[in-house]
Formats: sequence, structure tokens, C-alpha cells
Amino acid sequence: DAKTTQPNSMESNEEEPVHLPCNHSTISGTDYIHWYRQLPSQGPEYVIHGLTSNVNNRMASLAIAEDRKSSTLILHRATLRDAAVYYCILRDVPGSARQLTFGSGTQLTVLP
Amino acid sequence: NAGVTQTPKFQVLKTGQSMTLQCAQDMNHNSMYWYRQDPGMGLRLIYYSASEGTTDKGEVPNGYNVSRLNKREFSLRLESAAPSQTSVYFCASSRTPGGRLQETQYFGPGTRLLVL
Repeated sequence: DAKTTQPNSMESNEEEPVHLPCNHSTISGTDYIHWYRQLPSQGPEYVIHGLTSNVNNRMASLAIAEDRKSSTLILHRATLRDAAVYYCILRDVPGSARQLTFGSGTQLTVLP
Repeated sequence: NAGVTQTPKFQVLKTGQSMTLQCAQDMNHNSMYWYRQDPGMGLRLIYYSASEGTTDKGEVPNGYNVSRLNKREFSLRLESAAPSQTSVYFCASSRTPGGRLQETQYFGPGTRLLVL
């Protein structure tokens, strides 16, 4: 899977929007961009994924740059429960579709 | 639906002891996975099963064996535990055989293993 770069940590105030960036400058045309998060002492949890167009679901929005070299996960109103490590993951070659390749992610702290 | 369940939640072993970690899913998924997560790091794939009756090695298979008992269950066995296997182990599943690029994986709550 192609490499992604995320900030180690970010802070947000409760009930404010959060924009979590991810750089993936070596992305190929068939790579899907996935986001997972891991709450403390829990297993990873799917958040959202996309290919080229921006995506929305009940948890978040995913904004994908026009050249696809970066993307941003948007939490519209952060809550204390959103404090977690957020992982940006690219999935490309079908042979590697079996696994998710996790980097170190972004630790999001939500301040009350 | 319970989703993906794992037992036990916690385990302490002495070096050289053996144990089996159990995983079950009730979503009728075809693919199942075992990952390990060391402190401060991302998850790494140990073994996976693309469908019932098949298993393949992942990134870090040494010291482990797996069994896909049926479509629901996928167990991970440590034959002779070592301190380097101290970790948190996560089981996951996904719907299609072998997985697809746009597919979601569903994770269990994890088993925390300490090898002394």
C-alpha cells in the first residue's frame, strides 16, 4: 500500500469542527482512501472511505483534493467520545487488499 | 448482532506456555484476519483467511498458527509463548472472500496478552 503522512497529534474543542489532514503524494489512480479510528482500549472502527469524490456519512465527511495527493477527514462537531487515534489508510493493489496497513495515525484530543 | 467477539479479554502466560485465542463473527463474513498491535504502533497482520478452509501468512506470522474452524470461527495459537509476543491481538472480518479495495473490516475488542 502507498504511504500516508499524518500529524502525530491534534487538539480540538468540544462541539467545534475538526479537520484531520492526510498526505498521500504517491497515491495511484486505483487507490481507495480509508479512515479508521481507534478509541482507547478498543479495536479499530471504520469511519469512511472514498476514491475521488467527497463523501459524507453519519460519522464524518471526507474531502479529497482534486489531485488526490491529500485528503481531510472532517468531524463536524467534535464530542468527547471522538477522542481517538485516527488512521488514514490507502488500499491499492488487489494482492494487498487482504490487510489494512496502519501507520501511527493522529491522536485527537477533544477538550471540554 | 454481536459482530466480532474475542476470548479471552486478558491473559498472562509464562515463557514457553501455549494458548489459543478465539475469534468468532456472526455477520456471515467470508474473510477473517488476525492482527497484533504493539504499544504506540499500528496494527500488523499475522495471518488471514480469505474463505473457509484457507489460511495465509501475513506480515508477522512467525511463532503463530491459525485454524479456520468454520465460516464463523478463526483461532490463533501460540505454541511456545515468548516475551516478544506480548501485545494486543485483534481479530477482524470482512464480507467478501479475499477482501476488496473498498471493503470495510470489522474488528473485535482485542485480547491483551502478557508473556513473562
